[in-house]
Amino acid sequence: QKEVEQDPGPLSVPEGAIVSLNCTYSNSAFQYFMWYRQYSRKGPELLMYTYSSGNKEDGRFTAQVDKSSKYISLFIRDSQPSDSATYLCAMRENSGGSNYKLTFGKGTLLTVNP
Amino acid sequence: NAGVTQTPKFRILKIGQSMTLQCTQDMNHNYMYWYRQDPGMGLKLIYYSVGAGITDKGEVPNGYNVSRSTTEDFPLRLELAAPSQTSVYFCASSYSDEQFFGPGTRLTVL
Repeated sequence: QKEVEQDPGPLSVPEGAIVSLNCTYSNSAFQYFMWYRQYSRKGPELLMYTYSSGNKEDGRFTAQVDKSSKYISLFIRDSQPSDSATYLCAMRENSGGSNYKLTFGKGTLLTVNP
Repeated sequence: NAGVTQTPKFRILKIGQSMTLQCTQDMNHNYMYWYRQDPGMGLKLIYYSVGAGITDKGEVPNGYNVSRSTTEDFPLRLELAAPSQTSVYFCASSYSDEQFFGPGTRLTVL
């Protein structure tokens, strides 16, 4: 079993739809969870960052972490064509900040159609 | 600030050739990383560095070498290019969990 599993999609939705993106993981040492967004032919950029179980909201984006189920989600409300990108989940063990090495999922390609 | 810059943007190599991918950051970050990204495969860590003079292997280091003589620069060396090294290479830097990525180098080995 891979450390981080993420459905690569592709996922195609109409503008205004609610989008749900998910990752599961097997390493219980993962303590820090992130979502990166990558536009076509660009480098990834950090979108959301969470530490504890629960929800974190930022505008139209909500990140959810369930450590007991080893499951994280990213919800996008009122999706826009500008949200079309690849979304990568990433996570890190609590290594005391010695290297900040991240383990990435494969990424989900999202297209929001006008 | 330019952030993280990478050169070249594109390169075609013949099997057995060598090349160096350049990476420079101007944010004074201690941590720097090299990833490769293959279609549908996410980002795989090749090498990383926690500061000048300190480097360590990531998940897929075979066929690559790195050095970190300054805080700003973290070049990646391919000694004997193979078709399996055809990929997009991203350099990143950070001072915490937020990694800042460069625009990538698209490498094809024929």
